[in-house]
Amino acid sequence: KNQVEQSPQSLIILEGKNCTLQCNYTVSPFSNLRWYKQDTGRGPVSLTIMTFSENTKSNRRYTATLDADTKQSSLHITASQLSDSASYICVVSDPGGYNKLIFGAGTRLAVHP
Amino acid sequence: SQTIHQWPATLVQPVGSPLSLECTVEGTSNPNLYWYRQAAGRGLQLLFYSVGIGQISSEVPQNLSASRPQDRQFILSSKKLLLSDSGFYLCAWSGQGETGELFFGEGSRLTVL
Repeated sequence: KNQVEQSPQSLIILEGKNCTLQCNYTVSPFSNLRWYKQDTGRGPVSLTIMTFSENTKSNRRYTATLDADTKQSSLHITASQLSDSASYICVVSDPGGYNKLIFGAGTRLAVHP
Repeated sequence: SQTIHQWPATLVQPVGSPLSLECTVEGTSNPNLYWYRQAAGRGLQLLFYSVGIGQISSEVPQNLSASRPQDRQFILSSKKLLLSDSGFYLCAWSGQGETGELFFGEGSRLTVL
């Protein structure tokens, strides 16, 4: 069964600190993996997309990694800001087509001053 | 630029009453359209998707239905709401193709009492 599991479920860090969120998936064959940021009560917004051939991709203070062999991805946030408080959702493309995606349950990050 | 609008943002309805959530997309043509439901602590669940006018695919058996009367309009409906229909509903669109990014609306919080 295609699944996406994220850890930790929740995380609290102090402003200015770094953190790393994990995503493990069993989806096969693999098309791509996206990280979304979802502010409370809002719709998710894409942060980055990782394809099979990409190992690392950075977007401002966010760095995503992908290990297609172990089926793992991580999202590293550098120098966290209060505005980083949100849920971060890992989404893997299902081979079923038409953008049918497998969503992780998300990691809820709280950045405290 | 493309935008997606979803309304109402919040809705409190009694059990057995009807439901209509509306979603419209601007700035693009022939988008793939989706309705998702998000339960607390769980990943987004795909309810319906549409690749064209009048074409609706249902992912899970449920008390809800969807319609696409126009190219950029997607409606989620129910004739009689159940308590279990409470949740956060998200409309999304993507371009054609299997790896397109999903662009989400702001969400609709439905509470059935």
